[in-house]
Amino acid sequence: SQTIHQWPATLVQPVGSPLSLECTVEGTSNPNLYWYRQAAGRGLQLLFYSVGIGQISSEVPQNLSASRPQDRQFILSSKKLLLSDSGFYLCAWNPGDYEQYFGPGTRLTVT
Amino acid sequence: QQQVKQSPQSLIVQKGGISIINCAYENTAFDYFPWYQQFPGKGPALLIAIRPDVSEKKEGRFTISFNKSAKQFSLHIMDSQPGDSATYFCAACTGAGSYQLTFGKGTKLSVIP
Repeated sequence: SQTIHQWPATLVQPVGSPLSLECTVEGTSNPNLYWYRQAAGRGLQLLFYSVGIGQISSEVPQNLSASRPQDRQFILSSKKLLLSDSGFYLCAWNPGDYEQYFGPGTRLTVT
Repeated sequence: QQQVKQSPQSLIVQKGGISIINCAYENTAFDYFPWYQQFPGKGPALLIAIRPDVSEKKEGRFTISFNKSAKQFSLHIMDSQPGDSATYFCAACTGAGSYQLTFGKGTKLSVIP
């Protein structure tokens, strides 16, 4: 069966520090991968998606970037965090059809 | 064009009652409509989904009703339980390209004993 992992689960970082969040999917090949951000009590904002290795599409211009160095690995990065980057970051995948599955999330607090 | 409008923002239901959450969309190219359930601190979980070729889908206590002409769909939770207390998101998707989901803003459901 397929499993999606995210780490770390929680992270507290100072303003101006770099960021790297990792997402991996097991048990499938060539998934579509997605990064979302969820502000406290708010909806889901799609940040990036990828349909293959090295293929990244950005939905919202911002302080973040994404990379997909391997088929089942998706990384969210920032060179310098802002206070407004705080939130709950969710990775999701689908097997190339409609059903999309979310990971457990990373809670990021920028201080 | 890409928006999905969800209501109400919050909902309080007595245990055993029926919870109803509504969503409306504009883009007629949407052809897949899922509902997600999210507990605090957890990722959303796919609850139930429907395609526009049927008007209703039922899984246990959860039912999606779909009205293609009105471009509306709703989630009904029968015999609501305190364990159903969560935030529910509707979404819509087209089959083109990356299967991106367009989400509603969510409904926080509280089921009180």
